Amino acid sequence: AQTVTQSQPEMSVQEAETVTLSCTYDTSESDYYLFWYKQPPSRQMILVIRQEAYKQQNATENRFSVNFQKAAKSFSLKISDSQLGDAAMYFCAYQKGATSGTYKYIFGTGTRLKVLA
Amino acid sequence: GAGVSQSPRYKVAKRGQDVALRCDPISGHVSLFWYQQALGQGPEFLTYFQNEAQLDKSGLPSDRFFAERPEGSVSTLKIQRTQQEDSAVYLCASSRRVDQPQHFGDGTRLSIL
Repeated sequence: AQTVTQSQPEMSVQEAETVTLSCTYDTSESDYYLFWYKQPPSRQMILVIRQEAYKQQNATENRFSVNFQKAAKSFSLKISDSQLGDAAMYFCAYQKGATSGTYKYIFGTGTRLKVLA
Repeated sequence: GAGVSQSPRYKVAKRGQDVALRCDPISGHVSLFWYQQALGQGPEFLTYFQNEAQLDKSGLPSDRFFAERPEGSVSTLKIQRTQQEDSAVYLCASSRRVDQPQHFGDGTRLSIL
């Protein structure tokens, strides 16, 4: 069975600095997707970034980028120029590829990010 | 609508009561998912619909949990004879296709007394 591990329950970063959140996963599949979602206190999960496993290039979205190491099964999120609005719970999620027949997300336990002014 | 809408936002019920949670997905999204999120944990998959067909219900914890999506749009998650361990946030998500990212609602926080 696939698993997702986030080993950092909580992280802190100074405003305008850079922080990296870690995620590792376990799978025997070759076709899958990886995601980072942000969950502020309002509870709504917001998509931050998505990576297709077949793509070697790391995904980027403005200040957010990932370091995807497929062989090591590692998928870390880097937030540059951190802003107060980045403070939230961040979840790493895994989804099997569309050919697998099962499309559920498997989430990690989350990392709470605090941004210090 | 603009996003996934869930109601009620909060639900308090006594142990043994039945509850129904509603999810209104984004218009045109054929895939709909339900997740359960316990306090301090990541969401866990409950069930998945493709239009009106329930294709995966492997995450439903017991036969007290039942979900439906009769017309391929609005979905209802029903929990019968609620127990304290059912207390959690229930999240609904939808996507245009199964290989597209899921969009989440605000969730329903269920508290069983």
